[in-house]
Amino acid sequence: QLQMQESGPGLVKPSETLSLTCTVSGDSISRISYYWGWIRQPPGKGLEWIGSVYYSGSSYYNPSLESRVTISVDTFKNQFSLKLNSVTAADTAVYYCARQGSGNWFDPWGHGTLVTVSS
Amino acid sequence: SYVLTQPPSVSVAPGETARITCEGNNIGSKIVHWYQQKPGQAPVLVIYYNSDRPSGIPERFSGSKSGNTAPLTISRAEAGDEADYYCQAWDSSSGQAVFGGGTKLTVL
Repeated sequence: QLQMQESGPGLVKPSETLSLTCTVSGDSISRISYYWGWIRQPPGKGLEWIGSVYYSGSSYYNPSLESRVTISVDTFKNQFSLKLNSVTAADTAVYYCARQGSGNWFDPWGHGTLVTVSS
Repeated sequence: SYVLTQPPSVSVAPGETARITCEGNNIGSKIVHWYQQKPGQAPVLVIYYNSDRPSGIPERFSGSKSGNTAPLTISRAEAGDEADYYCQAWDSSSGQAVFGGGTKLTVL
């Protein structure tokens, strides 16, 4: 059964870089036709797609975050990672990783990790 | 950018049918998916490709499209269906996934 697990610091200072990793277990991240995505949810608010990556490294991002986001993949470790630079308090959120299917649905999701931006 | 609009809240009596709408311009040309999120938990896919159910999702959950609306229908509502529900589509013109604002379903 495919499982996703986010990991990374829970506290990041303003203006610094948020870095998270998603470890995929139960299937290969190199499986054709799947992308791997990051989605976030500020406390008490809705879901926002951040971006997605293919096992080849090809990636695409939410235009509103594109200037600050990099998503990369490590097929050997079966992981993909998120970097968001120049963070502010508005980037405080629960960050989820998820598999993105061919119809652009997301399933399954990781449990999520809360990242707080504060000095 | 593309916008999906959902009502903030919907209430339904136990055993009755709940209908949660998702509206968007020309939504008929888009593929819509639905997620259920219970408090403190990650979202769970309940409908994909407009009307398909993943394994393990009860038949009480159904999706459809009509005009500029893509409703999620929950038949014979149960207390365990209380959750936030989000619709999602892909906007090919901007190359991004778009989520609706979410609807809080209350079963009372």
